[in-house]
Amino acid sequence: DQQVKQNSPSLSVQEGRISILNCDYTNSMFDYFLWYKKYPAEGPTFLISISSIKDKNEDGRFTVFLNKSAKHLSLHIVPSQPGDSAVYFCAASVGVRSGTASKLTFGTGTRLQVTL
Amino acid sequence: DSGVTQTPKHLITATGQRVTLRCSPRSGDLSVYWYQQSLDQGLQFLIQYYNGEERAKGNILERFSAQQFPDLHSELNLSSLELGDSALYFCASSVGTLQETQYFGPGTRLLVL
Repeated sequence: DQQVKQNSPSLSVQEGRISILNCDYTNSMFDYFLWYKKYPAEGPTFLISISSIKDKNEDGRFTVFLNKSAKHLSLHIVPSQPGDSAVYFCAASVGVRSGTASKLTFGTGTRLQVTL
Repeated sequence: DSGVTQTPKHLITATGQRVTLRCSPRSGDLSVYWYQQSLDQGLQFLIQYYNGEERAKGNILERFSAQQFPDLHSELNLSSLELGDSALYFCASSVGTLQETQYFGPGTRLLVL
């Protein structure tokens, strides 16, 4: 049962444009969401997170939006740069707000290619 | 560099064998997590240790076991290996038990022939 889904395995965007990566989830108990970026031959790197009590969190060029009613999460990168080319994973956790979080559930990833 | 180290980087072995993967967390982090990433799959949570004790268990097979030592490094033991165990194995660490921000190591690529 894939509780966190990234339905687009790949995305190609021109440099300077906006990249939008999407993530859907099925477990309404998730209360914390994260995005990780992964380059080849490296481990995932934490990018940005959002609590379920918010609908938006911004950090520089990266903004995460949360639509709880649609159980949908998106990551916006503006403007996109060639160095952003990587695999992006969304992840979710239950119980962070209550202090009982036990694990992260990851999506399968979206490969972003930023072209010149 | 996340500060999390994993050894070895690559491991090639045969079916039926046993291997041990090692992870050293970031300085000051008490929690260690193990994940498996198979081809075209997301990261699957295996197990978490906090300050030497098992805290959470995910989709970890009975053939797999882990432990965290007093110096906080962790080892993941995989036995009776099967072809399907070929995967990337990541270790991550965080300060406490809440899995908010985990810092990942570079991974160990295991190939079972």
